[in-house]
Amino acid sequence: DQQVKQNSPSLSVQEGRISILNCDYTNSMFDYFLWYKKYPAEGPTFLISISSIKDKNEDGRFTVFLNKSAKHLSLHIVPSQPGDSAVYFCAASGLTGNQFYFGTGTSLTVIP
Amino acid sequence: KAGVTQTPRYLIKTRGQQVTLSCSPISGHRSVSWYQQTPGQGLQFLFEYFSETQRNKGNFPGRFSGRQFSNSRSEMNVSTLELGDSALYLCASRLDRDVKYGYTFGSGTRLTVV
Repeated sequence: DQQVKQNSPSLSVQEGRISILNCDYTNSMFDYFLWYKKYPAEGPTFLISISSIKDKNEDGRFTVFLNKSAKHLSLHIVPSQPGDSAVYFCAASGLTGNQFYFGTGTSLTVIP
Repeated sequence: KAGVTQTPRYLIKTRGQQVTLSCSPISGHRSVSWYQQTPGQGLQFLFEYFSETQRNKGNFPGRFSGRQFSNSRSEMNVSTLELGDSALYLCASRLDRDVKYGYTFGSGTRLTVV
């Protein structure tokens, strides 16, 4: 049972424009939501997180939005750069973080 | 500071054999988790260890097991390998309380079962 879903397997964006990656979840008990970036032949790298008590968190070019009523989160990258081309995973966990549920990933391609 | 180290990077095994994968976490990290990544399935949680104790286990058969040593290094073992066990196995570590910073992942061990 996939508790975290990323329905778009891939996304292409022009350099300098905004990239919006989406993620839906089913478990209203999740407390933390994280985004990871993964390059081929490397492990996922932590990007940004948000707790369930917030609706927005920013870190430089990256902003994560959380809509608890819709059980939806999104990652905005502005402006997009070619180096952002990677697979992005969203993940969710309860308060202890002992287990994270990952989505299936969205492959982002930023076109120069 | 050294990252999470997984050995070996690549492994080819025959169906029915067993395999042991190794993970050295970041120094000071006591929580170690293992994930399986397969195409179309994303990352599936295997288990999580803290201070040599398994705190949580995912929905995998008993052929998948793990352990953690007193120096926080961890191993996972898969017995009676099946073709469907071919995957990238990722180990991750973190300081136990820093949930919002997530895990630091290793580069993984690519297991191919033939």
